[in-house]
Amino acid sequence: DAKTTQPPSMDCAEGRAANLPCNHSTISGNEYVYWYRQIHSQGPQYIIHGLKNNETNEMASLIITEDRKSSTLILPHATLRDTAVYYCIVRQPLSGSARQLTFGSGTQLTVLP
Amino acid sequence: EAGVAQSPRYKIIEKRQSVAFWCNPISGHATLYWYQQILGQGPKLLIQFQNNGVVDDSQLPKDRFSAERLKGVDSTLKIQPAKLEDSAVYLCASSPGLANTGELFFGEGSRLTVL
Repeated sequence: DAKTTQPPSMDCAEGRAANLPCNHSTISGNEYVYWYRQIHSQGPQYIIHGLKNNETNEMASLIITEDRKSSTLILPHATLRDTAVYYCIVRQPLSGSARQLTFGSGTQLTVLP
Repeated sequence: EAGVAQSPRYKIIEKRQSVAFWCNPISGHATLYWYQQILGQGPKLLIQFQNNGVVDDSQLPKDRFSAERLKGVDSTLKIQPAKLEDSAVYLCASSPGLANTGELFFGEGSRLTVL
């Protein structure tokens, strides 16, 4: 059961902000939004997660709408090394099983020179 | 800090043969995961260990796949006999504990091709 919907692909110019959308209209009150990315031939890499407030770390910012039905991952100054598949996931963080950490097909972000 | 180590990086076998993958998690991480990633798809959880006990193996095809983490540190995933549809990247991940924040640390994966 897909809990999130993401566009299959996006392009972004190098140096510009990359805004990756995610719809999660059936999210529960205790589910967090997680973002991972996977660079070609590497394992997924954790980026950020949040519940309802906007979050920022050294990699990205996460903007969650007030109704929590959608979110946007923002890479403020995209570089060529940010070219990757970005996965948006919803789950309960303290759940024992990682089966809830279900990766969909993600968004292929291509940063163009 | 050393990351999650996996070997081999690449393996080619013929169907009905067996194969084993090894994973060494980040030091001190109690929880270890094996994922299968078929080309063009996101990773799918196969099995999750907490120390040397199994937390979730509901998506592991137990007729041909097995995994162990005997001493609660490194782990092996075995496929016997392999089928064509087992061609995939097998990813190992670890996290500090069961009640974690959801941040998993992944290795680079082992790419299996079954001919």
